[in-house]
Amino acid sequence: AQTVTQSQPEMSVQEAETVTLSCTYDTSENNYYLFWYKQPPSRQMILVIRQEAYKQQNATENRFSVNFQKAAKSFSLKISDSQLGDTAMYFCAFMKHLNTPLVFGKGTRLSVIA
Amino acid sequence: DADVTQTPRNRITKTGKRIMLECSQTKGHDRMYWYRQDPGLGLRLIYYSFDVKDINKGEISDGYSVSRQAQAKFSLSLESAIPNQTALYFCATSDSSGRGDTQYFGPGTRLTVL
Repeated sequence: AQTVTQSQPEMSVQEAETVTLSCTYDTSENNYYLFWYKQPPSRQMILVIRQEAYKQQNATENRFSVNFQKAAKSFSLKISDSQLGDTAMYFCAFMKHLNTPLVFGKGTRLSVIA
Repeated sequence: DADVTQTPRNRITKTGKRIMLECSQTKGHDRMYWYRQDPGLGLRLIYYSFDVKDINKGEISDGYSVSRQAQAKFSLSLESAIPNQTALYFCATSDSSGRGDTQYFGPGTRLTVL
């Protein structure tokens, strides 16, 4: 079974600074999908970024980018120019095949400090 | 209007009561999922359905049952609620004919069992 590990329960960052959230996973699959979800205090689950394992290029969405290291089974999220609205729980998630359930990590609570 | 809706949004009940959480979607997706979120544990899969006639147990299905009444509706039942079922419950959908790597989440139902 696949597992996802987020080793940082809580982190904080100063506004406008850069922060990196860590995620590692365990799988025997070669092709799979990885995600970062954001959950603000409104509790809505918001997709931040996705990465297909067969793509070597790291995904980027505006201020959010990932460092995908397939051999190391690592998938970290970098948030640049942190904003107060980035304060949220962040979940790393794994999908074995398209249209199958997600496996989530336990989350990292990020606080952006003014 | 939201594409994935959940009712109720909040519910307080007593031990031993039967509870039904409902999920409806207007996205026309065939696949639906129920997840449970507990503090410090992330989201875990309870049940999922690939179509109306296909229901599958997830990681933590004990104490829960589901019904897929139509493609657009997927209900989660707690036959006899217990306090450790106090959690935030999410419904999600995906489209097997579209971009199957994206799940769309409802707003969540916060359930408290006293």
